[in-house]
Amino acid sequence: QSALTQPRSVSGSPGQSVTISCTGTSSDVGGYNYVSWYQQHPGKVPKLMIYNVTKRPSGVPDRFSGSKSGNTASLTISGLQAEDEADYYCCSYAHLRNVFGPGTEVTVL
Amino acid sequence: QVQLVESGGGVVQPGRSLGLSCAASGFSFSIFGMHWVRQAPGKGLEWVAVISDDGRNKFYADSVKGRFIISRDNSKSTVSLQMNSLRPEDSAVYHCAKGGLDVGGSWRPEDWGQGTLVTVST
Repeated sequence: QSALTQPRSVSGSPGQSVTISCTGTSSDVGGYNYVSWYQQHPGKVPKLMIYNVTKRPSGVPDRFSGSKSGNTASLTISGLQAEDEADYYCCSYAHLRNVFGPGTEVTVL
Repeated sequence: QVQLVESGGGVVQPGRSLGLSCAASGFSFSIFGMHWVRQAPGKGLEWVAVISDDGRNKFYADSVKGRFIISRDNSKSTVSLQMNSLRPEDSAVYHCAKGGLDVGGSWRPEDWGQGTLVTVST
């Protein structure tokens, strides 16, 4: 049972924007600026998309952005593309451990 | 580039032990924290453990604390996970992952291996 909550699924048409929320507590998301987001396509290894709430690793398109307000972090995908269809997981540092969210399935209509 | 290759998975009976290993290459292994993260078939990601670059500091998820032991050998660029008192709920693909280098980066799984499947069953 995850300590973080994410919507089970979100969907959007190509070109639209979608936002995935990741809600925790002051002991994890709200207490540290160490929230990461991972993209996982079926049968593939997770890929780091956002780290430290807002930072993008090199090579990640700038249509992926992260933010945080209080105990909720968010991943926004702007200009949705077909290849963005995947599962997305948030991960937060939580005092000497990490916690993952349950994952959100993004569907491109 | 970063390469992480896990090995040691298999089928094991409940209560028994199993050891996993991860061979790293393509980066300066000894300056990075290393993680194990698992994913049960069809389920989400679960962080398991992390070990610091020098091997002195080790932290575990509550679900495995007291049963699993993470270790590393910087001379061989390997990280290991000794799993004891295995339970059916430990069945998963186990990935090793390299941490980051920036502030807080050691806590962040960055690059992941393909994983090795562990099945705990009679």
